[in-house]
Amino acid sequence: GDSVTQMEGPVTLSEEAFLTINCTYTATGYPSLFWYVQYPGEGLQLLLKATKADDKGSNKGFEATYRKETTSFHLEKGSVQVSDSAVYFCALTTGAGSYQLTFGKGTKLSVIP
Amino acid sequence: GAGVSQSPRYKVAKRGQDVALRCDPISGHVSLFWYQQALGQGPEFLTYFQNEAQLDKSGLPSDRFFAERPEGSVSTLKIQRTQQEDSAVYLCASSRRDRVPSDTQYFGPGTRLTVL
Repeated sequence: GDSVTQMEGPVTLSEEAFLTINCTYTATGYPSLFWYVQYPGEGLQLLLKATKADDKGSNKGFEATYRKETTSFHLEKGSVQVSDSAVYFCALTTGAGSYQLTFGKGTKLSVIP
Repeated sequence: GAGVSQSPRYKVAKRGQDVALRCDPISGHVSLFWYQQALGQGPEFLTYFQNEAQLDKSGLPSDRFFAERPEGSVSTLKIQRTQQEDSAVYLCASSRRDRVPSDTQYFGPGTRLTVL
């Protein structure tokens, strides 16, 4: 079945550091890929998405590129801020089933001043 | 506009009690999903509605779990005879279209259920 594997956390970075959170996937068919973010005390929010190979999703300084050859969708940001502290989830949907999201386990990011 | 809302935000139940969790999706959204999120894990799919029709309930963990969306808008997830393993955050999400893989799902804040 479909699955998403993302790097274990927690990740602690200093403000202005470079961020990478790795995400790889296994899927039947041709998935759409998503990064969702969960800020403390809030619900899941879409951060960015990509729907075909080589597409780059971007939002709020975060980027991720859909790499079909490596089945990856790594999240990057050049300079993190304290306000980026949150849990980040990589997820996918495919053309199978009800197009529900399949999530990774999440990576908790803490950014310290 | 208004997002997805869920109520109650927190629910404590004694083992064996029945609970009902409510979801108000974004107005006009065709698709509605329920997910279960255990502590420290990613959300896992429970069930899917297209308007009022429940088209997929393959993720419901047992026959104690029941969901409905009778008028194609508000949905209720009911858990009968709650067990401790039912303790989790229950998330509701809606999307504008039906079964489009790239369509964004919008999530509510969740209901945290604790079964004592």
